[in-house]
Amino acid sequence: GQNIDQPTEMTATEGAIVQINCTYQTSGFNGLFWYQQHAGEAPTFLSYNVLDGLEEKGRFSSFLSRSKGYSYLLLKELQMKDSASYLCAVRDQDYNQGGKLIFGQGTELSVKP
Amino acid sequence: EAGVTQFPSHSVIEKGQTVTLRCDPISGHDNLYWYRRVMGKEIKFLLHFVKESKQDESGMPNNRFLAERTGGTYSTLKVQPAELEDSGVYFCASSQDWRLSYDEQFFGPGTRLTVL
Repeated sequence: GQNIDQPTEMTATEGAIVQINCTYQTSGFNGLFWYQQHAGEAPTFLSYNVLDGLEEKGRFSSFLSRSKGYSYLLLKELQMKDSASYLCAVRDQDYNQGGKLIFGQGTELSVKP
Repeated sequence: EAGVTQFPSHSVIEKGQTVTLRCDPISGHDNLYWYRRVMGKEIKFLLHFVKESKQDESGMPNNRFLAERTGGTYSTLKVQPAELEDSGVYFCASSQDWRLSYDEQFFGPGTRLTVL
């Protein structure tokens, strides 16, 4: 079956670093996406990994290990505005089907002063 | 450039009624996806259009759901008749070319559907 796991909630302090983990088991794999979603708003794209390793993008970095079915999102220099839900999603691409994303439940991050 | 828009933002209907949700993708995006999030669960895929054709409808829960994309522009998702378990947030997303390894899906803000 298809399964993506991530912690439900995390709390961190403003200015600190937080790592949000995601493990996945899918029948296929063609990329892992991280999205940020503020309450009542659209999920917005943060990062994409398809090869093993670290992708850095400003205060945000994402890591992927395909052999372990594991990814993490690293947020540095946390700001209050980073309080949001962080969604891990895998593109389980069957070339006969399409680019559907399979999502985890999301990690609700609370940043405290 | 306008993002993905969805209408309405909220809808409250009685069980047994019909509701139609609309999604306008980013201009030029051939790919349009519908997803849904029910309370306490993850966002789940419903259907994928490439232009006006259904590329993948493996996530559609049953025949009470009908999605259309006439002309390959905006899409509608009709629920008829609505049941209590259909309550949730319905997201639409669009992208340029699903065949590309890196193909970002841009999401709309969602339609919150409540069936009473």
